Amino acid sequence: QQQVKQSPQSLIVQKGGISIINCAYENTAFDYFPWYQQFPGKGPALLIAIRPDVSEKKEGRFTISFNKSAKQFSLHIMDSQPGDSATYFCAARIKAAGNKLTFGGGTRVLVKP
Amino acid sequence: DTEVTQTPKHLVMGMTNKKSLKCEQHMGHRAMYWYKQKAKKPPELMFVYSYEKLSINESVPSRFSPECPNSSLLNLHLHALQPEDSALYLCASSQLSNTGELFFGEGSRLTVL
Repeated sequence: QQQVKQSPQSLIVQKGGISIINCAYENTAFDYFPWYQQFPGKGPALLIAIRPDVSEKKEGRFTISFNKSAKQFSLHIMDSQPGDSATYFCAARIKAAGNKLTFGGGTRVLVKP
Repeated sequence: DTEVTQTPKHLVMGMTNKKSLKCEQHMGHRAMYWYKQKAKKPPELMFVYSYEKLSINESVPSRFSPECPNSSLLNLHLHALQPEDSALYLCASSQLSNTGELFFGEGSRLTVL
């Protein structure tokens, strides 16, 4: 019940295209859903996050869509750029469990120029 | 630049050595975390400190010993490690609030020979 399933494992998109990464969860106690971006040799950095009472959140070219009934959420990267090439992790948290994050398996995104 | 500083960036040790990883943050965060990350995998939580007290230990072997000397510092003492412990060790910090945003350091790349 603590799992967060992420797909696809890898993604190749042309510059200017849309990258879409999907995550699904089972535990309805999750109360916060962040996305982290990780470049090679670096630690993960928070990209954008959403709470289950919101269906969509947009920050620049990055949008999270959240479907509470389906227990799914996704990250859309619009106008993808080569600098967006990185590994993206979705995550979910239960605050009552000590702010512990459960990460998805990660998606390696390659944006071709 | 990350506001969570980890040293050393790289560490090579033998199975009989004793070494320590260090982490420092000056954001006034009262929660600090150790994660372990293997190649092409998501970070795995090891320990959480809340107000300088150990609040979560994810059944980590005793050859890993965390220490939180004060609210800004977090250490991970290593002793009698195994080659399979080779990984990127990430430190993170967060406020103890509803946001749950974790700030990660760049990690310490550990190789056990």
